[in-house]
Amino acid sequence: DGGITQSPKYLFRKEGQNVTLSCEQNLNHDAMYWYRQDPGQGLRLIYYSQIVNDFQKGDIAEGYSVSREKKESFPLTVTSAQKNPTAFYLCASSTGGQETQYFGPGTRLLVL
Amino acid sequence: DQQVKQNSPSLSVQEGRISILNCDYTNSMFDYFLWYKKYPAEGPTFLISISSIKDKNEDGRFTVFLNKSAKHLSLHIVPSQPGDSAVYFCAASAHSGNTPLVFGKGTRLSVIA
Repeated sequence: DGGITQSPKYLFRKEGQNVTLSCEQNLNHDAMYWYRQDPGQGLRLIYYSQIVNDFQKGDIAEGYSVSREKKESFPLTVTSAQKNPTAFYLCASSTGGQETQYFGPGTRLLVL
Repeated sequence: DQQVKQNSPSLSVQEGRISILNCDYTNSMFDYFLWYKKYPAEGPTFLISISSIKDKNEDGRFTVFLNKSAKHLSLHIVPSQPGDSAVYFCAASAHSGNTPLVFGKGTRLSVIA
């Protein structure tokens, strides 16, 4: 059963803490993406990776970091430098950079 | 500068009638267009797409129309059902470029029984 999984579903962050959101796909897709959605807003691109060991900044990369050591995995770290991290985070993957993206179920990050 | 615009933040339609969601784009290099449907607290699901070599693509109750000269596309849902109530995102990409899909801000559709 192919798909994209994100964990955890809910995540709480304390002030000054780094947290890492997991994204795994078994679709054999080359490209993976991270988006952020705020209430009443669209999807804003944080980072994307078109191939293993390579990634590019999206529109709102400041305060975030990623790695792409394996094709199946694209974890996102929300660092303490991200001053407004409360949002719904979505991971997606696609066969190529301009192709249809398929999304995971999302992780809601809340700040304590 | 928004390259993909959905100018109507919300739309209400009666059950059984047609829902028409609109999307405009500014980048003439875009050649692939998609619609996604999103329920609250879930990831968007792919609905339907259209390539720029076509002007219409149909899948069951969903039809997407593309007007390249006007840089406009629309999603028609006929007949509308209460389960269609969701936020719909339009997205576009340019196969000749190196950037991912560009998304609009979404339109919230409410289908009233």
